Amino acid sequence: LAKTTQPISMDSYEGQEVNITCSHNNIATNDYITWYQQFPSQGPRFIIQGYKTKVTNEVASLFIPADRKSSTLSLPRVSLSDTAVYYCLVGDGNAGKSTFGDGTTLTVKP
Amino acid sequence: NAGVTQTPKFQVLKTGQSMTLQCAQDMNHNSMYWYRQDPGMGLRLIYYSASEGTTDKGEVPNGYNVSRLNKREFSLRLESAAPSQTSVYFCASSDRAVQVGELFFGEGSRLTVL
Repeated sequence: LAKTTQPISMDSYEGQEVNITCSHNNIATNDYITWYQQFPSQGPRFIIQGYKTKVTNEVASLFIPADRKSSTLSLPRVSLSDTAVYYCLVGDGNAGKSTFGDGTTLTVKP
Repeated sequence: NAGVTQTPKFQVLKTGQSMTLQCAQDMNHNSMYWYRQDPGMGLRLIYYSASEGTTDKGEVPNGYNVSRLNKREFSLRLESAAPSQTSVYFCASSDRAVQVGELFFGEGSRLTVL
C-alpha cells in the first residue's frame, strides 16, 4: 500500500495561505492523489485530485512535483471555517486498497 | 439528493453481541466501502465492494463481514462485538476505483462496545 505521511498539525491565521504537504514515496505509476477535508462528527469531503503538475479548483490548488513522491495542498486566504482535518489519499493501483494517512489538523486563528 | 445514508447513527453494544450497520447510496455508484475511524486517527478500510456481487477485504477486516445486497446497499456486520471495535464507522461510495475517483461519505455510525 502507498503509505502517506503528513504533519500532525498546523496553525494559521485568517487570510493567510496554508500549504500542507503529503509524502508518498511508493506511489504507483497509475495512482492519483486526492485530498479530503473532515469536520468533527462528519464524513470526509472531497477537495481536489491530481496526477501531476498543478491542479486548481475554486477552493484549493494541488502541486505535484515531477517525481510524484509528494504533493502539496494549498488553501488560499483561509478563514475560521477552514479549521478541519485534511487527509491525502493515494491508491496502490488496486481498486479499494487505498490508504488514508492520519491527517493534518489545521487550526485557523482569528 | 440524500447521497450516502447510514443507520443507525449511534449504537451501544455489550461484548459478544452482534449487529449490522446499514448503508445505502442513491448516486448509482458501482463501488462502496466501509471504513473505521478511531479517535485522533485516520480512516482505515475494512471491506469494499468494487461492483454489485463482489466484496473484498481491506486493511482491517478481522471481526467483520459484509454483504452487497444490491447496487444501492452495502451492510457491515459485527458477529461478536469486542471493545476494540468501538469506533466511528463510515460508509462511502464512488463511481470508479477510489484512487481515481471521488469518495462520497455518509455521516458515520458511532459504535460503543462495553
